[in-house]
Amino acid sequence: ETGVTQTPRHLVMGMTNKKSLKCEQHLGHNAMYWYKQSAKKPLELMFVYNFKEQTENNSVPSRFSPECPNSSHLFLHLHTLQPEDSALYLCASSQVRPTQETQYFGPGTRLLVL
Amino acid sequence: GENVEQHPSTLSVQEGDSAVIKCTYSDSASNYFPWYKQELGKRPQLIIDIRSNVGEKKDQRIAVTLNKTAKHFSLHITETQPEDSAVYFCAADNAGGTSYGKLTFGQGTILTVHP
Repeated sequence: ETGVTQTPRHLVMGMTNKKSLKCEQHLGHNAMYWYKQSAKKPLELMFVYNFKEQTENNSVPSRFSPECPNSSHLFLHLHTLQPEDSALYLCASSQVRPTQETQYFGPGTRLLVL
Repeated sequence: GENVEQHPSTLSVQEGDSAVIKCTYSDSASNYFPWYKQELGKRPQLIIDIRSNVGEKKDQRIAVTLNKTAKHFSLHITETQPEDSAVYFCAADNAGGTSYGKLTFGQGTILTVHP
């Protein structure tokens, strides 16, 4: 599969569960991002990784824990989430190079926290 | 940090009409402004972008203008078609600066094109 892929596409979890979201990019990019998209709110940047190093943590609660083992894979580990964390979680990737900074998005994981 | 305001939140037009969506940004250091289209249930996809060294860019029926002095940029869609119906997001980034890759998005505009 080409581009940016995400699994699972849908996830329902209880507040005491632990789950992980996975993102994989097949574009040869060296930067990856996690965004949260809630209804009636703009896309919110959560984390940025450049060359596997976290360069941005946008005041995200510690119940969200990112992991970037290499430039092609990005994970978001979830634990003790709240119902207000229900949203679409989007992964994106880009080059870290002037004029090539376009971010390409994955299809997202629709998360419901009960 | 950067703040991006987008208007209108909803826009309804007749097929063949033009549509204009406007965004303002707060950080004068921002130099990269992409526009994304998100159809229902799908991922955001880049439709056009502009950098601060250019005032206008056009791609077929889509154009973007940038006014750095006023810190606003706009998306223009001409000869709209029903398949243009989607949510459109503007964004701003200090590409290459200290906040590389930190896109700040506007709130989105729901565009509906009526046949």
